[in-house]
Amino acid sequence: SQQGEEDPQALSIQEGENATMNCSYKTSINNLQWYRQNSGRGLVHLILIRSNEREKHSGRLRVTLDTSKKSSSLLITASRAADTASYFCATDPTYSSASKIIFGSGTRLSIRP
Amino acid sequence: SAVISQKPSRDICQRGTSLTIQCQVDSQVTMMFWYRQQPGQSLTLIATANQGSEATYESGFVIDKFPISRPNLTFSTLTVSNMSPEDSSIYLCSVEDPASGSSYNEQFFGPGTRLTVL
Repeated sequence: SQQGEEDPQALSIQEGENATMNCSYKTSINNLQWYRQNSGRGLVHLILIRSNEREKHSGRLRVTLDTSKKSSSLLITASRAADTASYFCATDPTYSSASKIIFGSGTRLSIRP
Repeated sequence: SAVISQKPSRDICQRGTSLTIQCQVDSQVTMMFWYRQQPGQSLTLIATANQGSEATYESGFVIDKFPISRPNLTFSTLTVSNMSPEDSSIYLCSVEDPASGSSYNEQFFGPGTRLTVL
């Protein structure tokens, strides 16, 4: 089964508002990554946060990680129409000796003009 | 980061046939991965392809159905054999890019191949 579960499954907000997506996972991790996928195309790597980090920023993106709760959040501030996409978290579990990451179920974000 | 291309970008195939998908990277990488994304779903790892060794398949995926080649450090192919409509998916390759400077299993993805099986 997938390591990560994301909520909400779908989110629709007005342009300019902030969007928050959450990711929960089940086992200890080395790091967690967030990806964006536009309309069934390839994945764009957004940000990686290590297990010893609590917060990371990249432009309008803010990622938090709470390893005690096994959860992460992705905040997109001042949303734009171009942010409409599916967003996935992916975890690198500590139990895996191979270089494998496991994807969450994804959140479909729609930005209304 | 590495630039990854895939061919074809999309295809429509008849059941019972096979399709080979190519993944090309503009730099040498050790680890390459193949994923499947069924309609409306998340990504599932099919196999890990390392140069000079047999691919390592995940549970539920077998070499006879998804043979993989990795002839060098910049190229890999995935074949979807004896296709059925259930194989209709997006197939994506990814790499760990040492040039990114990250040692944390940071993966970068190709644009994907959208396969429809009739």
